[in-house]
Amino acid sequence: DTGVSQDPRHKITKRGQNVTFRCDPISEHNRLYWYRQTLGQGPEFLTYFQNEAQLEKSRLLSDRFSAERPKGSFSTLEIQRTEQGDSAMYLCASSFTAGPYQETQYFGPGTRLLVL
Amino acid sequence: AQTVTQSQPEMSVQEAETVTLSCTYDTSESDYYLFWYKQPPSRQMILVIRQEAYKQQNATENRFSVNFQKAAKSFSLKISDSQLGDAAMYFCAYRSALINSNYQLIWGAGTKLIIKP
Repeated sequence: DTGVSQDPRHKITKRGQNVTFRCDPISEHNRLYWYRQTLGQGPEFLTYFQNEAQLEKSRLLSDRFSAERPKGSFSTLEIQRTEQGDSAMYLCASSFTAGPYQETQYFGPGTRLLVL
Repeated sequence: AQTVTQSQPEMSVQEAETVTLSCTYDTSESDYYLFWYKQPPSRQMILVIRQEAYKQQNATENRFSVNFQKAAKSFSLKISDSQLGDAAMYFCAYRSALINSNYQLIWGAGTKLIIKP
């Protein structure tokens, strides 16, 4: 399977715990994006990387959220001191940086987080 | 700031019939991209069709076609010969073409499409 993969697919945690999600983009894609989707809503942009550089992080929801892409390949999204309001689906997407389809983002299956 | 509006929370159509999903957007930019994504109950977001704003010709992908009205800022999706597998949430999304944008997709709230057998 050469699509975007995310791990874990589901995560249940207790309030106050830290969680980390992983995203593996399509191998040829340089850009990687994180979105959050709450039930019944469209996704909400969080951050994006071009290679290993995080070029936009002002949309991260609070300083409890952080993301990394250390070698320009996979990325991690960490939420510290989780709150019940963090319960959502976290989506990862990737895209090319150039070429005729560079504007198209391809999504992974998402990680569903439930904070108890 | 750009916004995307999908005014139909839910639509239903008889199998084999045609259905049109509505999307309007607001932007001051002249160059951008528009997308329709499908999210079946399994929740993976799948690209259905894309449109480049500078192209006047409406995009088509097999049974899926769009009606892009740039002046009216309207981007509707037509699904012909509806199939049971088309049942899903459909999201309309906008992306700026500006080089210094953050390339984020701006999303509508979605339309749930129900296919009646």
